[in-house]
Amino acid sequence: DAGVTQSPTHLIKTRGQQVTLRCSPKSGHDTVSWYQQALGQGPQFIFQYYEEEERQRGNFPDRFSGHQFPNYSSELNVNALLLGDSALYLCASSLGEKGGVGYTFGSGTRLTVV
Amino acid sequence: QKEVEQDPGPLSVPEGAIVSLNCTYSNSAFQYFMWYRQYSRKGPELLMYTYSSGNKEDGRFTAQVDKSSKYISLFIRDSQPSDSATYLCAMSGGGGSNYKLTFGKGTLLTVNP
Repeated sequence: DAGVTQSPTHLIKTRGQQVTLRCSPKSGHDTVSWYQQALGQGPQFIFQYYEEEERQRGNFPDRFSGHQFPNYSSELNVNALLLGDSALYLCASSLGEKGGVGYTFGSGTRLTVV
Repeated sequence: QKEVEQDPGPLSVPEGAIVSLNCTYSNSAFQYFMWYRQYSRKGPELLMYTYSSGNKEDGRFTAQVDKSSKYISLFIRDSQPSDSATYLCAMSGGGGSNYKLTFGKGTLLTVNP
């Protein structure tokens, strides 16, 4: 049973560019959340998608946007990249969980902005 | 004040030691309290969770929640080198934060053989 799949695993971008990260949820899951984990920090919630709608959003600027497709997969887009956007981006999937205990995390995409 | 505070360590112990990891929080609306383990270059994996106050035991691991003190703990007995990882506390539930997890900074644990 495949878990959460994220692509690419590593990415290097130049300041000011745009990036798209992709996530395929665990089989049977319908909700996708995105987190940003800076080096030495805990993951920070970016947003969550359910039924192709953004259900909740964390304290991130509008440069961060997302999308969920009918097959429940999701994309995270970041525009006008800043050096401070360098981080591990984690996708977590769940089945409509509200309490957060049913999340399965992927291994993440390591984004480096130079 | 951050919503969740976790002593980042790092922590280095000999094999067989008892390990204590702790977090404090400020949001009294939190209802779910979790501990995640994160190995290098991997995503977090759920180790244990507790709903509201109380203790929960799973093998060598014990999680405790004291909502009156806004304090949670994870104890690892008979620690093994394979327990070496970053341990993250996380909380969720209540009010407008129904869906998201709020994490601590994580504690890097090294168990030496």
